Amino acid sequence: DAGVIQSPRHEVTEMGQEVTLRCKPISGHNSLFWYRQTMMRGLELLIYFNNNVPIDDSGMPEDRFSAKMPNASFSTLKIQPSEPRDSAVYFCASSLIIALVKNTGELFFGEGSRLTVL
Amino acid sequence: GENVEQHPSTLSVQEGDSAVIKCTYSDSASNYFPWYKQELGKRPQLIIDIRSNVGEKKDQRIAVTLNKTAKHFSLHITETQPEDSAVYFCAAEGNAGNMLTFGGGTRLMVKP
Repeated sequence: DAGVIQSPRHEVTEMGQEVTLRCKPISGHNSLFWYRQTMMRGLELLIYFNNNVPIDDSGMPEDRFSAKMPNASFSTLKIQPSEPRDSAVYFCASSLIIALVKNTGELFFGEGSRLTVL
Repeated sequence: GENVEQHPSTLSVQEGDSAVIKCTYSDSASNYFPWYKQELGKRPQLIIDIRSNVGEKKDQRIAVTLNKTAKHFSLHITETQPEDSAVYFCAAEGNAGNMLTFGGGTRLMVKP
């Protein structure tokens, strides 16, 4: 398996523009996570999907952020409009959860998408 | 929700010395504690994990200890090598299930 695949690897955009980050989880994994990494705040969980259904989006910073998972092999994280403070590395991760409660499996991270908003 | 504190934020050791990184967590119901290593510009990768039914786990030069009463766990790296230089993150699974909360990270530098 190629692992978790994210695109784009790097994105530079101007404030106010829409940004779409994409993720393909490992085949067979049933859970997908979006994390944001910055020097100041470390690794923050934004949203978690299980079997394509959003389970917890309490980490999504504000309404400008939205995430979808239309099928088991694809997810997007969208920022509209983008702001300079959104600059960060966005990681997608997937895992196989056997039971929905209290059975965390190993998280496999993608290479990340480095976003710079000017 | 879960809160994970990690110390120190930076750690510099001489090659061959041991390194210890400590984490505390707030949710007494947490029962899964992984450690991830992130090399510069790379993705975080799992190096070792421990569940609450054991107090210690070892894998070659790395070991993790867990004290559930005190709600803290530690990563121990012995005989450090330059390739151990990276940022290490601890994490804990909170009571919401299947969601990890990460510590702030420790930048380990191993000087040859």
